[in-house]
Amino acid sequence: NAGVTQTPKFRILKIGQSMTLQCAQDMNHNYMYWYRQDPGMGLKLIYYSVGAGITDKGEVPNGYNVSRSTTEDFPLRLELAAPSQTSVYFCASSQTGEGAAFFGQGTRLTVV
Amino acid sequence: GNSVTQMEGPVTLSEEAFLTINCTYTATGYPSLFWYVQYPGEGLQLLLKATKADDKGSNKGFEATYRKETTSFHLEKGSVQVSDSAVYFCALVTGGGNKLTFGTGTQLKVEL
Repeated sequence: NAGVTQTPKFRILKIGQSMTLQCAQDMNHNYMYWYRQDPGMGLKLIYYSVGAGITDKGEVPNGYNVSRSTTEDFPLRLELAAPSQTSVYFCASSQTGEGAAFFGQGTRLTVV
Repeated sequence: GNSVTQMEGPVTLSEEAFLTINCTYTATGYPSLFWYVQYPGEGLQLLLKATKADDKGSNKGFEATYRKETTSFHLEKGSVQVSDSAVYFCALVTGGGNKLTFGTGTQLKVEL
């Protein structure tokens, strides 16, 4: 059972570079989410999607973009990376809209 | 707005000791409450949840009771094992929505 798969697991970016964090789930879940986790902090919601073609902003969307062209995939795009985006990023999915039940293993991103 | 407050860690216990991790919340409306566990190097996993006052969520020997009068959802386990060493996050969602609010997490270390 693959569940929620994130790639890459680690990445170092230079300031101003861009990249896409990939997320795929094989459970046919409608709801998908992107969170960031900073040291000593809880997870903060960046963006979420309630189905293919539908996305919305979370608590901390600035500097990020998402798309949801299929049910399975929910990539997160960073444009013009900044040191403040150094964090661990988690993708998650759920069958119902209440919370998020399944998380990926995370992507540790460092911007230098 | 919504917020979740957890006791600071790390919490260090001997194997077979009793565990309590405190969690209190502030929320508009009537939240659903969750505990997630994050093992080293992994993503979060839903441990248990409760959706209304006086409900008790339980899983893998862990329990938490939704206490509306004290706005609390403390996590307990009668006898911890070394394999329970992880970071535990309390979280809530309101209005049947899909945006989780997380606490900062409590690290648990269990020693032989």
